[in-house]
Amino acid sequence: DQQVKQNSPSLSVQEGRISILNCDYTNSMFDYFLWYKKYPAEGPTFLISISSIKDKNEDGRFTVFLNKSAKHLSLHIVPSQPGDSAVYFCAASAKGTYKYIFGTGTRLKVLA
Amino acid sequence: DTAVSQTPKYLVTQMGNDKSIKCEQNLGHDTMYWYKQDSKKFLKIMFSYNNKELIINETVPNRFSPKSPDKAHLNLHINSLELGDSAVYFCASSTQAGGYNEQFFGPGTRLTVL
Repeated sequence: DQQVKQNSPSLSVQEGRISILNCDYTNSMFDYFLWYKKYPAEGPTFLISISSIKDKNEDGRFTVFLNKSAKHLSLHIVPSQPGDSAVYFCAASAKGTYKYIFGTGTRLKVLA
Repeated sequence: DTAVSQTPKYLVTQMGNDKSIKCEQNLGHDTMYWYKQDSKKFLKIMFSYNNKELIINETVPNRFSPKSPDKAHLNLHINSLELGDSAVYFCASSTQAGGYNEQFFGPGTRLTVL
């Protein structure tokens, strides 16, 4: 039972264009969401987060949107750069728990 | 100046052996975690310790035993290794327990059981 799903295993985008990575969840108790970025042979690194009381959070080129009614979040990267090529994981947590549930990741390739 | 470090980075061993993976964090965090990333790329929590106390123990075979000698270290011992244990194991830490805290991950240990 995968509570956090990233249905696109891979995505290719031209440099300078927008990258949109999607994540869906099923547990309505989730109230905090994060995106992590992972390069090969390294551990995931934190990118950006959003609380369920917000519908948008922005940090530089990265913006996360949350649609609670649709149980959907997305990560927008504008403009995309070749260095953004990595695997992106979304993760969700519910209040009162001590853990994050991770999606299976989307591999982003930004083409120069 | 590594924040979360794991040793070894690669581990190749025979079925039935016992092995340990070590993790250390120098961030002063109270909480540490072990995750398993299997061949399907699922990143699943296995254990978590907060101030040396076990707070998360997912459905993991009891061949896996975590040990936290102090807040900065969380080791993972695996007995009687099986083929299905082959995976990448990630250690992580956060300032405190609770789902609102960013986790810092180590580089991973790739375990291959032959």
